[in-house]
Amino acid sequence: KQEVTQIPAALSVPEGENLVLNCSFTDSAIYNLQWFRQDPGKGLTSLLLIQSSQREQTSGRLNASLDKSSGRSTLYIAASQPGDSATYLCAVGTYTGGFKTIFGAGTRLFVKA
Amino acid sequence: GAGVSQSPSNKVTEKGKDVELRCDPISGHTALYWYRQSLGQGLEFLIYFQGNSAPDKSGLPSDRFSAERTGGSVSTLTIQRTQQEDSAVYLCASSMDSSQPWNTIYFGEGSWLTVV
Repeated sequence: KQEVTQIPAALSVPEGENLVLNCSFTDSAIYNLQWFRQDPGKGLTSLLLIQSSQREQTSGRLNASLDKSSGRSTLYIAASQPGDSATYLCAVGTYTGGFKTIFGAGTRLFVKA
Repeated sequence: GAGVSQSPSNKVTEKGKDVELRCDPISGHTALYWYRQSLGQGLEFLIYFQGNSAPDKSGLPSDRFSAERTGGSVSTLTIQRTQQEDSAVYLCASSMDSSQPWNTIYFGEGSWLTVV
């Protein structure tokens, strides 16, 4: 059974700091990995999607890497801003009797001005 | 539509009543997903549809939960005889095709269910 773990559960950093969020998954037979952002009381917004054949994706100040063999992904946020404060969720696309996406519990990020 | 639309956005119901939650996916999206998120928790997979069929119903918590999708579009999640532990946000999402690795999943704003 695929399990997704995110570390740390919560993180508080001063504005301007570069930071890394970690995600690990137990079954390397995935077809993609996505990072989402969730603001309080809102739905999820997709940030980056990495296909299983890819190693990383970049969008603005965000860079996500994928190491399928070790079951790990990292989300790197450069020059953090207060507006980056949100919960970041990692999700893996897996096939177990059908294609579905399994989520981690998220990392709650607070960027202090 | 422009995005995934869910209704109602908020629902307060009495224990034991039935509730229906509706999801209208992005036009042209063949895959539709239901997740549940309890307060402060991650997302719990419930069920997904590819077209009108549901290949994986393993996430439905009990036989009080059911879902259907008709016409390859709108989906309804029904909870019968609601219990207080059913209180959560029910999130719906859609994507072009669940089997393609490059397809991003788009989420609705969720239906907040409170059982009193």
